[in-house]
Amino acid sequence: AQSVTQLGSHVSVSEGALVLLRCNYSSSVPPYLFWYVQYPNQGLQLLLKYTTGATLVKGINGFEAEFKKSETSFHLTKPSAHMSDAAEYFCAVSDRPGGTSYGKLTFGQGTILTVHP
Amino acid sequence: DAGVTQSPTHLIKTRGQQVTLRCSPKSGHDTVSWYQQALGQGPQFIFQYYEEEERQRGNFPDRFSGHQFPNYSSELNVNALLLGDSALYLCASSLRGTSYNEQFFGPGTRLTVL
Repeated sequence: AQSVTQLGSHVSVSEGALVLLRCNYSSSVPPYLFWYVQYPNQGLQLLLKYTTGATLVKGINGFEAEFKKSETSFHLTKPSAHMSDAAEYFCAVSDRPGGTSYGKLTFGQGTILTVHP
Repeated sequence: DAGVTQSPTHLIKTRGQQVTLRCSPKSGHDTVSWYQQALGQGPQFIFQYYEEEERQRGNFPDRFSGHQFPNYSSELNVNALLLGDSALYLCASSLRGTSYNEQFFGPGTRLTVL
């Protein structure tokens, strides 16, 4: 079974400061890893994904994440926070679709990011 | 190009009633997944439909059932509603056969059970 742990249900930063949201996963097979963002009363928007290849992946809105297999981590970072980054962020893991697998997503509990002026 | 659409946006039901939620996938997608997101929680996988059959199911009781139509749209049915079924129900679509399993989410249906 796969699982995701997001460390810190709330993170608060100042505008212009580094954003670091932590995610650790558990998977018995090589994982696919995702970060989604959810704004109030909206669905989920994909920020970035890791499937294969380069372990540092870049996403939209200046976010990036690094897959570290040895640490089973996939932390999300952004060098300089903007007020518009305030939202809830979810890390998710899936197995590789194919054969009998249809790639269901397993999500963490979410981290609410607050950005102060 | 329309993304994933869901209807209705909001729904209020009473305990014991039945509800049907609808989802139209993104153009070109053939797989639909449903997730339940309780307040303050991450989304939980309910089930996934491909070629009009349920292919994977999460840890949800049989009160939760679904259907996929030939045009790939899908319905989620919940019978004998409980207070604990109050949640945001998210539909996601994807294209089977792609190597990266990118799922696109709709805006969700907010279900309140009184």
